[in-house]
Amino acid sequence: DADVTQTPRNRITKTGKRIMLECSQTKGHDRMYWYRQDPGLGLRLIYYSFDVKDINKGEISDGYSVSRQAQAKFSLSLESAIPNQTALYFCATSDLLESTDTQYFGPGTRLTVL
Amino acid sequence: QKEVEQNSGPLSVPEGAIASLNCTYSDRVSQSFFWYRQYSGKSPELIMSIYSNGDKEDGRFTAQLNKASQYVSLLIRDSQPSDSATYLCAGGLTGGGNKLTFGTGTQLKVEL
Repeated sequence: DADVTQTPRNRITKTGKRIMLECSQTKGHDRMYWYRQDPGLGLRLIYYSFDVKDINKGEISDGYSVSRQAQAKFSLSLESAIPNQTALYFCATSDLLESTDTQYFGPGTRLTVL
Repeated sequence: QKEVEQNSGPLSVPEGAIASLNCTYSDRVSQSFFWYRQYSGKSPELIMSIYSNGDKEDGRFTAQLNKASQYVSLLIRDSQPSDSATYLCAGGLTGGGNKLTFGTGTQLKVEL
């Protein structure tokens, strides 16, 4: 079984709809991240969480919110989706105890907003 | 200046040749450096990490770090068609506590 899973893997939705992307991990890592990837722009950090009570904005948090329900679960919500949020979304994890900054990625969610 | 910069490519090399991928970084990046491989539509997969000046070898892959010149490179020896992918360079942000910043990636094509 994959260490980091994301659901759904693909989603098509309409402008104005609320969408939730979910991430779960069995790696036992305390740190979790949400990125979006757009062609030519690389990976950009949306939100990150260093433990259940810690939530931080990344470089492009506008239009997004997150919830860290447990150490193993980190959800990303689009309250009112818009077309320019069409992108590939990745969840990642890292381990504080590893102290190497290494991040491990989930398989991604391809989101299309019409 | 972007924190991590890469040439987008594509970089084309013949099968069996050495592929050389380069990355430069700004003063905001200083702790640790990573090379990820990403196939189209798939997630980034860690290839190499490097933290100290010099070379680090792992199989066909060698990462090189030069902190004085602020560049990091990845050499792929005996390139195979399966190496065709986009390679992302990433660095740890100074004082960023496990946050990474990524380059936009270099597309590598290994031709038969």
